[in-house]
Amino acid sequence: DAKTTQPNSMESNEEEPVHLPCNHSTISGTDYIHWYRQLPSQGPEYVIHGLTSNVNNRMASLAIAEDRKSSTLILHRATLRDAAVYYCILRDRYSGAGSYQLTFGKGTKLSVIP
Amino acid sequence: DTGVSQDPRHKITKRGQNVTFRCDPISEHNRLYWYRQTLGQGPEFLTYFQNEAQLEKSRLLSDRFSAERPKGSFSTLEIQRTEQGDSAMYLCASSWGDSPQETQYFGPGTRLLVL
Repeated sequence: DAKTTQPNSMESNEEEPVHLPCNHSTISGTDYIHWYRQLPSQGPEYVIHGLTSNVNNRMASLAIAEDRKSSTLILHRATLRDAAVYYCILRDRYSGAGSYQLTFGKGTKLSVIP
Repeated sequence: DTGVSQDPRHKITKRGQNVTFRCDPISEHNRLYWYRQTLGQGPEFLTYFQNEAQLEKSRLLSDRFSAERPKGSFSTLEIQRTEQGDSAMYLCASSWGDSPQETQYFGPGTRLLVL
């Protein structure tokens, strides 16, 4: 999987929007962009994924740059329960050796201030 | 469906002892993954199964590590002759389908401390 770059940490005030950036300048045309998050003392959980178009679900929105070299995970109203480490992960759309596992970086640790 | 479960949640052992962890995936999920996570790092892939077949192993999985998934249901991860460097969180995940885009559902992990 191609490499991603995320800030080590970010802070947000409760009930405000949060924009978590991810750079993936070497992304290939067949890579999907996935986001997972890991709450304290828990396993990671899926948040959202997309290929080219922006995506929305009940948890978050994913904004993908036109050249696909960066993306932003948007939490529309941060709550204390959103405090977690957020991981941006690229996954090739085609199967093959090494294609099924997730390759995690260090992620961004989001702190939410009450 | 109660999600992925792992047992035990915590394990303290002495160097040189053998330990075994169990993972119960979401029923009907055909793929099962093991990851290891050390403090301050993201999880690292160890191995994965499709049904009962172990299809990939990371170079992190030394000869002291062995994983099984008999009958394609639960899985066990055994570490023989534990070393202090084995101290980590061991995470299990499962998924359903044939696409690399399938969502992986993680368990709460087993935290291992080797003294």
